[in-house]
Amino acid sequence: EAGVAQSPRYKIIEKRQSVAFWCNPISGHATLYWYQQILGQGPKLLIQFQNNGVVDDSQLPKDRFSAERLKGVDSTLKIQPAKLEDSAVYLCASSLVVGLSGNTIYFGEGSWLTVV
Amino acid sequence: AQTVTQSQPEMSVQEAETVTLSCTYDTSESDYYLFWYKQPPSRQMILVIRQEAYKQQNATENRFSVNFQKAAKSFSLKISDSQLGDAAMYFCAYSAGAQKLVFGQGTRLTINP
Repeated sequence: EAGVAQSPRYKIIEKRQSVAFWCNPISGHATLYWYQQILGQGPKLLIQFQNNGVVDDSQLPKDRFSAERLKGVDSTLKIQPAKLEDSAVYLCASSLVVGLSGNTIYFGEGSWLTVV
Repeated sequence: AQTVTQSQPEMSVQEAETVTLSCTYDTSESDYYLFWYKQPPSRQMILVIRQEAYKQQNATENRFSVNFQKAAKSFSLKISDSQLGDAAMYFCAYSAGAQKLVFGQGTRLTINP
């Protein structure tokens, strides 16, 4: 079974530039998550999709971050304009439909962003 | 709001010995899940073990087991017969309702040969 795919793996940009990350979840997984992990910390949820609807985006800095999940499959996370504090690993994850007991959340390898 | 606390930023153990990583959490929910994830330098989160709150029996996966104390809101991970490949960051995580994972700060585990 193919895992969660993310690209690019690494990106270095200057502050105030823009960047986009792409995620392809495990086939059949309706729920998709984007987490931000700053060095030395645990991951923090940015946004959660159920199919192509948003379930939770309470911690997404909406003035600069946006995310979409067209057709309920792939997702893109965009940052514009980037700030130095956005340097982090952006982890995409997916799981089966919310509400099923024993749901496991599977993570991709992450996209490493460095803002200079 | 639910919170997860890992009070040990770093732990080390001799190869083949046993180590226990601590985790406490705060919630008002009665039905929830607890997880331990391993994160190697590649940064991919790998599920180690899962515990359902309504199950009294502690979960076990080969060399990994948990000590789940629901009343104390404690969820520790025991790794037996530690191997060099166990070296990684370990994150305790909580999930309820909408399945959002809330993570602790992590514990860096070093295995000494």
